[in-house]
Amino acid sequence: NAGVMQNPRHLVRRRGQEARLRCSPMKGHSHVYWYRQLPEEGLKFMVYLQKENIIDESGMPKERFSAEFPKEGPSILRIQQVVRGDSAAYFCASSPRTAPNTGELFFGEGSRLTVL
Amino acid sequence: AQTVTQSQPEMSVQEAETVTLSCTYDTSESDYYLFWYKQPPSRQMILVIRQEAYKQQNATENRFSVNFQKAAKSFSLKISDSQLGDAAMYFCAYRSANTGNQFYFGTGTSLTVIP
Repeated sequence: NAGVMQNPRHLVRRRGQEARLRCSPMKGHSHVYWYRQLPEEGLKFMVYLQKENIIDESGMPKERFSAEFPKEGPSILRIQQVVRGDSAAYFCASSPRTAPNTGELFFGEGSRLTVL
Repeated sequence: AQTVTQSQPEMSVQEAETVTLSCTYDTSESDYYLFWYKQPPSRQMILVIRQEAYKQQNATENRFSVNFQKAAKSFSLKISDSQLGDAAMYFCAYRSANTGNQFYFGTGTSLTVIP
């Protein structure tokens, strides 16, 4: 059973370009979370999605950031017109269902975005 | 919003010794989960141990155990017989069992294991 798969592992963009980060949850998981980790900091919640629905996007910046989890295919975190401050590791996590369950999130290895 | 506080940015322990990492949290809820995640240099987040708030018994996973003090809202992690592979960032996390699905993470404790 493959774990949470994220790609690309590393992405370099110039200021003003677009970044697309992809996440395939674990098999059987229908809930996807995106977190951002800035250097030397903890994980900050960005968005929680189920298939075709954004459930909670309270952690997403209002501009330039969007996320989707289509019926088919991976979840995508999209950052338009990237700026240097977007440089960070972006982690995707999945869970099989809402609480109550084992409660834990299963994390991918992260995508490290560097904006030049 | 719930907050999770890890007051020790860095800790070190001698190999084979025991170390305790601190975590406190703030919530008005009575039913929730608490977790410790480990992030080694590879950056993958790995679950170390979990605790359901309704359980009074402290969780244990091999060399890892917790001291869960619900009234004090404290959730410390004890690592016994520390090994070099335990060196990592350790994050404490909170998740409500009832409302919403956010995980709230602390800022992490960097653990160094000295040979």
